[in-house]
Amino acid sequence: DQQVKQNSPSLSVQEGRISILNCDYTNSMFDYFLWYKKYPAEGPTFLISISSIKDKNEDGRFTVFLNKSAKHLSLHIVPSQPGDSAVYFCAASGNNFNKFYFGSGTKLNVKP
Amino acid sequence: GAGVSQTPSNKVTEKGKYVELRCDPISGHTALYWYRQSLGQGPEFLIYFQGTGAADDSGLPNDRFFAVRPEGSVSTLKIQRTERGDSAVYLCASSLAGPGTSGSYEQFFGPGTRLTVL
Repeated sequence: DQQVKQNSPSLSVQEGRISILNCDYTNSMFDYFLWYKKYPAEGPTFLISISSIKDKNEDGRFTVFLNKSAKHLSLHIVPSQPGDSAVYFCAASGNNFNKFYFGSGTKLNVKP
Repeated sequence: GAGVSQTPSNKVTEKGKYVELRCDPISGHTALYWYRQSLGQGPEFLIYFQGTGAADDSGLPNDRFFAVRPEGSVSTLKIQRTERGDSAVYLCASSLAGPGTSGSYEQFFGPGTRLTVL
């Protein structure tokens, strides 16, 4: 069973617009959530994280929102740039951080 | 500084053979994770080391899979009697901290080893 789900396999956005990537989870014990970005033939690169005590975390153009009651998080990228084109994974962990569950990824294409 | 490195980058083997995949974490990182990523899927947790000990190996799919980290740095993932279903990209990640410690939990990933079992 997949505890972290990314239901949109792909997303296409115009440069300068907002990209919104969504992620749902089923385990209410998850305490820590992360977003990773992955280019082809490279390992995932950490982008931004949020703990369950917060509902928003912002870092430059990237903002992650957490809705615990809906078991939903989203990553907003504003403004989107062509270099943001990559596969984005969300991941979640309990408060012991020993095991991280990843979604299946969303491929973002930012068109110039 | 150097990131996480993994060797080989590609490994092709025949069904039934034994393979070893190596991970060199970032120096000073005490936590080390192995993941497996199949096509179209996200990384799937295999095993987590804190120092030399395997703190959580609940993700290893069966007893053909084994991993070691004898000196708390380099780790080797070992797969016996490989099967075609083992074909995937095997990712290693390290972080400065782990459960029960203070510090960043951000995981730094290596580029992965693409394993193909014919």
